[in-house]
Amino acid sequence: KNEVEQSPQNLTAQEGEFITINCSYSVGISALHWLQQHPGGGIVSLFMLSSGKKKHGRLIATINIQEKHSSLHITASHPRDSAVYICAVGAGSARQLTFGSGTQLTVLP
Amino acid sequence: GAGVSQSPSNKVTEKGKDVELRCDPISGHTALYWYRQSLGQGLEFLIYFQGNSAPDKSGLPSDRFSAERTGGSVSTLTIQRTQQEDSAVYLCASSWTGKMGYGYTFGSGTRLTVV
Repeated sequence: KNEVEQSPQNLTAQEGEFITINCSYSVGISALHWLQQHPGGGIVSLFMLSSGKKKHGRLIATINIQEKHSSLHITASHPRDSAVYICAVGAGSARQLTFGSGTQLTVLP
Repeated sequence: GAGVSQSPSNKVTEKGKDVELRCDPISGHTALYWYRQSLGQGLEFLIYFQGNSAPDKSGLPSDRFSAERTGGSVSTLTIQRTQQEDSAVYLCASSWTGKMGYGYTFGSGTRLTVV
């Protein structure tokens, strides 16, 4: 069983919709990352969080440490948000990340 | 540089040949990581360098894979006698540690195709 589970695996939305991607993990963590991967493979780090909530533009990330769960929200989605969104956790003192399998988001105009 | 630089961005090689992938981390980042993403798969950890400590090689899939980090900066991932299953995107990341915790910066990856 993967230590990091994401849902849904695939998500198609209409432009303007509010989007939520979920991440659950089974290990104690030091931090959780949300990453964005565009076609071609390059990865951009969106958020790193260990508690509470962070917001950057139309993106919001929340984490509940007790429930071992995080969500990534996109408000007023746009076709340029289409990408794979990956949840990754850093566990304890280990600095290497364990990754979820990713959520393929497609936003249609 | 401003980010983590990887080269080449794309590499096509014949089965059985050796390849070297390069990662130039952000200056001052003490930790460097290599990850691999095979087609249709998630990212998997390969190897981790932290300062002058012995690297954590626990993710290397076989003894055909090796990596070094010279002078605490540039890293080279070497794959010997490449196989088709080595085809993947190889991602490098470097990290910083400070009072606010730590952070990651990823490179854009090297897409390796073994034919």
